[in-house]
Amino acid sequence: GENVEQHPSTLSVQEGDSAVIKCTYSDSASNYFPWYKQELGKGPQLIIDIRSNVGEKKDQRIAVTLNKTAKHFSLHITETQPEDSAVYFCAATPYSGGGADGLTFGKGTHLIIQP
Amino acid sequence: GAGVSQSPSNKVTEKGKDVELRCDPISGHTALYWYRQSLGQGLEFLIYFQGNSAPDKSGLPSDRFSAERTGGSVSTLTIQRTQQEDSAVYLCASSFGGGSGNTIYFGEGSWLTVV
Repeated sequence: GENVEQHPSTLSVQEGDSAVIKCTYSDSASNYFPWYKQELGKGPQLIIDIRSNVGEKKDQRIAVTLNKTAKHFSLHITETQPEDSAVYFCAATPYSGGGADGLTFGKGTHLIIQP
Repeated sequence: GAGVSQSPSNKVTEKGKDVELRCDPISGHTALYWYRQSLGQGLEFLIYFQGNSAPDKSGLPSDRFSAERTGGSVSTLTIQRTQQEDSAVYLCASSFGGGSGNTIYFGEGSWLTVV
């Protein structure tokens, strides 16, 4: 089955700086890679996703890059703001898998934005 | 409602008691998932429902855990004879259609504490 590793477990950056969270996956059949943000006391919310037919996707201050050869993908947040503080989860899944067991999550990164 | 609704939001129960957690998915979503999140941990898949198909129960940790989905909508997760290690946040999610690649939307979670 799929195995997703996420690093770092905790990341502290100064407000205004960039933050990068990295994930690796093991199943070369994985084709869909969502990122979720979880604020304290809330459920995870999808913030961006990428499919295997593209190498990069941007949405304002957030971008995700994918390297299928190396089986890793990364979340980039630029010009960080206090409201970016949260736990971020990556996930990977194959299109054709079907069922929830196709979606494997990383263990999360606690991002702390220092004022 | 606009999002996935879960109840209760918080539950404290005595060891050995049974608990029921309820999930109301987004209207029109045929797929429903239950995950468990222990303190500081990632998301652990429990069970998945898709339409009228037999549920994928491969993530249920023991036979004390069961779930139903009535009428293809509301779901109830039942934990019998609760143990302290069952203390966690139980997250419900839904998506439009089953299969990987469909965006999964999470509820706020039910925080269970077993004392």
